[in-house]
Amino acid sequence: DAGVIQSPRHEVTEMGQEVTLRCKPISGHDYLFWYRQTMMRGLELLIYFNNNVPIDDSGMPEDRFSAKMPNASFSTLKIQPSEPRDSAVYFCASSRHRTDTQYFGPGTRLTVL
Amino acid sequence: KQEVTQIPAALSVPEGENLVLNCSFTDSAIYNLQWFRQDPGKGLTSLLLIQSSQREQTSGRLNASLDKSSGRSTLYIAASQPGDSATYLCADGGSQGNLIFGKGTKLSVKP
Repeated sequence: DAGVIQSPRHEVTEMGQEVTLRCKPISGHDYLFWYRQTMMRGLELLIYFNNNVPIDDSGMPEDRFSAKMPNASFSTLKIQPSEPRDSAVYFCASSRHRTDTQYFGPGTRLTVL
Repeated sequence: KQEVTQIPAALSVPEGENLVLNCSFTDSAIYNLQWFRQDPGKGLTSLLLIQSSQREQTSGRLNASLDKSSGRSTLYIAASQPGDSATYLCADGGSQGNLIFGKGTKLSVKP
């Protein structure tokens, strides 16, 4: 298996623009997690899905953030409009079962100017 | 709010030394404790997962322990090598699968 795939790897955008981050989980994994990593706050869980259904989005910082999982092999995290404080590395992870080992993608480094 | 703390934030050791990384957590109902490795510019790689009913897990030169009563976990690395240089993160795993991460210990192993 190719592991968790994220795209793009780097994204530079201007404040106010819409940003869409993409994730393909490992085949057969029922759980998908979105995290954000910053120097100040470390790694934080934003939202996670089970069988394509959002289970807990309490970590989503604002209404500007939204996430979808239209099928078992694809998820998006959208920020609209983006702000400089959204600059961070965004990771997607998947696991077979709820409390199993999570496998992380390489991350998307987002810079909002 | 549950918290995970890792001290020290950075550690430098000579090659060949045995070392211990520390992790403390406030969650008395922890479901599992996970250790990850992160290389610069890369994602996280899972190293060890300890269930709350277990006391330790071993993989090669790595040994992780869990003491729920004291809220502590340690990661022991034997005979360290320059390739072990990375940031090590521990995470409190809840029963819902959500992970609460510490900020990591950046390890540097000098040849």
